[in-house]
Amino acid sequence: KNEVEQSPQNLTAQEGEFITINCSYSVGISALHWLQQHPGGGIVSLFMLSSGKKKHGRLIATINIQEKHSSLHITASHPRDSAVYICAVGNSNYQLIWGAGTKLIIKP
Amino acid sequence: DAGITQSPRHKVTETGTPVTLRCHQTENHRYMYWYRQDPGHGLRLIHYSYGVKDTDKGEVSDGYSVSRSKTEDFLLTLESATSSQTSVYFCAISPGQGAGNIQYFGAGTRLSVL
Repeated sequence: KNEVEQSPQNLTAQEGEFITINCSYSVGISALHWLQQHPGGGIVSLFMLSSGKKKHGRLIATINIQEKHSSLHITASHPRDSAVYICAVGNSNYQLIWGAGTKLIIKP
Repeated sequence: DAGITQSPRHKVTETGTPVTLRCHQTENHRYMYWYRQDPGHGLRLIHYSYGVKDTDKGEVSDGYSVSRSKTEDFLLTLESATSSQTSVYFCAISPGQGAGNIQYFGAGTRLSVL
């Protein structure tokens, strides 16, 4: 079993829909990261959080430490949100463990 | 973009040849990382550096070596490339180690070993 699991693996939605991507982990962590990878490869950090909720524009990230679960939400989705979204958690060896990513396609 | 440059961006090579990928940063960050990204897998750490001449292995270090002679440069060498090393390689930097630090990524190097 992977220590970091993301669901769904692939998600296709219509423009304007509310999007939820999930990340579950089995290790103790100090922080969790959400990153975005656009076609063409560049990887950009979206959020780093260790509790509660963070919001940036139309993106919201939440984490429940007790349930070892985090969600990334996108409101009013747009085709430019099409990307791979990656979750990563920090383990006790100070390394990041990476999820396999969720490929999101938003159709106009 | 954070000041991270990977070179080359694309490379095609033959099995058995040595290959060196370069990561150059202008941010003066202490930590530098080399990852590989393959379909169906999350990013996998190859090697990382926590200072000049200080490096350590990641989870998939076999067949790879690294060097860091200057703060700004971190080199990844495939001593004798194999087809299983066909992948996209990313360099990342961070000011500190561990999950409490954001990692900033280079644009990636697409390597094909024929």
